[in-house]
Amino acid sequence: EAQVTQNPRYLITVTGKKLTVTCSQNMNHEYMSWYRQDPGLGLRQIYYSMNVEVTDKGDVPEGYKVSRKEKRNFPLILESPSPNQTSLYFCASSLDGYSGNTIYFGEGSWLTVV
Amino acid sequence: QKEVEQDPGPLSVPEGAIVSLNCTYSNSAFQYFMWYRQYSRKGPELLMYTYSSGNKEDGRFTAQVDKSSKYISLFIRDSQPSDSATYLCAMSWYNFNKFYFGSGTKLNVKP
Repeated sequence: EAQVTQNPRYLITVTGKKLTVTCSQNMNHEYMSWYRQDPGLGLRQIYYSMNVEVTDKGDVPEGYKVSRKEKRNFPLILESPSPNQTSLYFCASSLDGYSGNTIYFGEGSWLTVV
Repeated sequence: QKEVEQDPGPLSVPEGAIVSLNCTYSNSAFQYFMWYRQYSRKGPELLMYTYSSGNKEDGRFTAQVDKSSKYISLFIRDSQPSDSATYLCAMSWYNFNKFYFGSGTKLNVKP
């Protein structure tokens, strides 16, 4: 079954405590990306990756880091989380970064920073 | 001005109604147009996909693209309570490596 798996699904953390949200896909997709979803703002792209070791900034990259050491994994790192990073985060993967008919999203990770 | 504009709703309709959801966009380069359905506390799932202009039909769903007006629509016929969700439009163009999403329209279909 085609799947994008994110962990953790729910997390409450404190300001400044580093955390990593993992993302893994089983479809051999080259393109992976992270989004945050906030009320009234829709999905905003944080970072994306075209392939292993190839990453680039999206629209809202400040405060986040990513890495792509293996094709299947694309973790999102918050080095020093702040309350304005409280949001719902989605990882997505697709064959490419434009055609849109192969995008799969994970179930989402609810992050609260206090 | 946002690249993609979408009325957030909420839109409330009785069961069996025809629903029309719309997005407008500003960039004439967009070629790929998608509609996603997102249930509460779930990830978006692809519902309809259209390349360039025209209509596409899949069961009760019809996606329409009018590139001259920079306007896309999703029609849901015989709407069901199970259609209650947030609907997101998205678009891109060849080799752009980025998708632009609308903010989503929340639909409630009342039994």
